[in-house]
Amino acid sequence: NAGVTQTPKFQVLKTGQSMTLQCAQDMNHNSMYWYRQDPGMGLRLIYYSASEGTTDKGEVPNGYNVSRLNKREFSLRLESAAPSQTSVYFCASKIRDTVHMSLGGIDTQYFGPGTRLTVL
Amino acid sequence: KQEVTQIPAALSVPEGENLVLNCSFTDSAIYNLQWFRQDPGKGLTSLLLIQSSQREQTSGRLNASLDKSSGRSTLYIAASQPGDSATYLCAVQDSGYALNFGKGTSLLVTP
Repeated sequence: NAGVTQTPKFQVLKTGQSMTLQCAQDMNHNSMYWYRQDPGMGLRLIYYSASEGTTDKGEVPNGYNVSRLNKREFSLRLESAAPSQTSVYFCASKIRDTVHMSLGGIDTQYFGPGTRLTVL
Repeated sequence: KQEVTQIPAALSVPEGENLVLNCSFTDSAIYNLQWFRQDPGKGLTSLLLIQSSQREQTSGRLNASLDKSSGRSTLYIAASQPGDSATYLCAVQDSGYALNFGKGTSLLVTP
């Protein structure tokens, strides 16, 4: 199993350009997540998809859109990139969402290697 | 909103020392608490997950404890090695969808 894969690994954009970050998982997980990691801020949730066909906003959704293409794939789109979106983006997946989490709370999120995005 | 704090922000120790990393959280209504390791320029690797009903978990030289009522967790690393150098992140899963992360402790183990 490859786990969670992300493409591209690195990207440099100019202000106003658009791009899509791709994420795929091969663990048959229902839930998928997009986080951003900034120095001094920790990881913050951008969007999540509790199950195929559903998406919801997280803590910092402004400037982003997502698509849950199928159970495996969850993409993040920047329509008009801004320097404030310079960050490291992580995709994660989990077997089930929090509401349906096992009583023992043993479900963990698995993270991809990240995409390092610079917006000039 | 759940707030997760990690102390210290950075730590440098000589090889062979035992060390403790601290994590505190503000809302004790959690499902679990996890410790992750992040190497420079890399993703996150889960080290230990403690369910809310548990007090501790062990894996090799790592031991994590959880005191849910006081909102605290510690990660104990025994006999530290240079290969342990990384950033260690504490994350709490509560009723929200996101993991709530601390800002991490950057650990440097010197030979």
